[in-house]
Amino acid sequence: AQSVTQLDSQVPVFEEAPVELRCNYSSSVSVYLFWYVQYPNQGLQLLLKYLSGSTLVKGINGFEAEFNKSQTSFHLRKPSVHISDTAEYFCAVSERTGTASKLTFGTGTRLQVTL
Amino acid sequence: DTGVSQDPRHKITKRGQNVTFRCDPISEHNRLYWYRQTLGQGPEFLTYFQNEAQLEKSRLLSDRFSAERPKGSFSTLEIQRTEQGDSAMYLCASSLTSGRKNIQYFGAGTRLSVL
Repeated sequence: AQSVTQLDSQVPVFEEAPVELRCNYSSSVSVYLFWYVQYPNQGLQLLLKYLSGSTLVKGINGFEAEFNKSQTSFHLRKPSVHISDTAEYFCAVSERTGTASKLTFGTGTRLQVTL
Repeated sequence: DTGVSQDPRHKITKRGQNVTFRCDPISEHNRLYWYRQTLGQGPEFLTYFQNEAQLEKSRLLSDRFSAERPKGSFSTLEIQRTEQGDSAMYLCASSLTSGRKNIQYFGAGTRLSVL
């Protein structure tokens, strides 16, 4: 079984400032890692994913994340946020092995960008 | 390429009534998933299909819940004798299995309110 911990429930930040949203996971098997964004009253949009290869992955809207296997982390970063980045962000994992493919999500981090 | 479509977007029902939701996946995606998201939480896995076969069901899926994907295309999720605790956003996702990678794309969800 896997679990995902998002350490910050809310992150307030000023526009054009950098931001990091933290994600740690626990799993007995190798995993794929994902970040999704959810705008109010909408479904989830895939921001980026780590499947294999380079541990630094780039996604849409200028976001990037780094997979750190030793620290079991997959923190999301953006060097300069915009008001439109205000949303809920979810980190998720799925098993890399076997046929199980369900996503296990964290509880989310609310990013609030202000002027 | 249209995305995942869910219908209805909102459903208000009285306790004890039955409700049914529909999900149309991205065309040619062979896997379809249902998740439930309650306020302030991340989505939780309910069940998934590969083509028309239901391969996994969560313990969250009580016997009042049933899901079908009769022709391997659209899926329905039915809740019988709804309870107030069933109030949540029900999200559908689909993916195309390629090797063991699993990138899930989500619909906008159906928000259920049980009065």
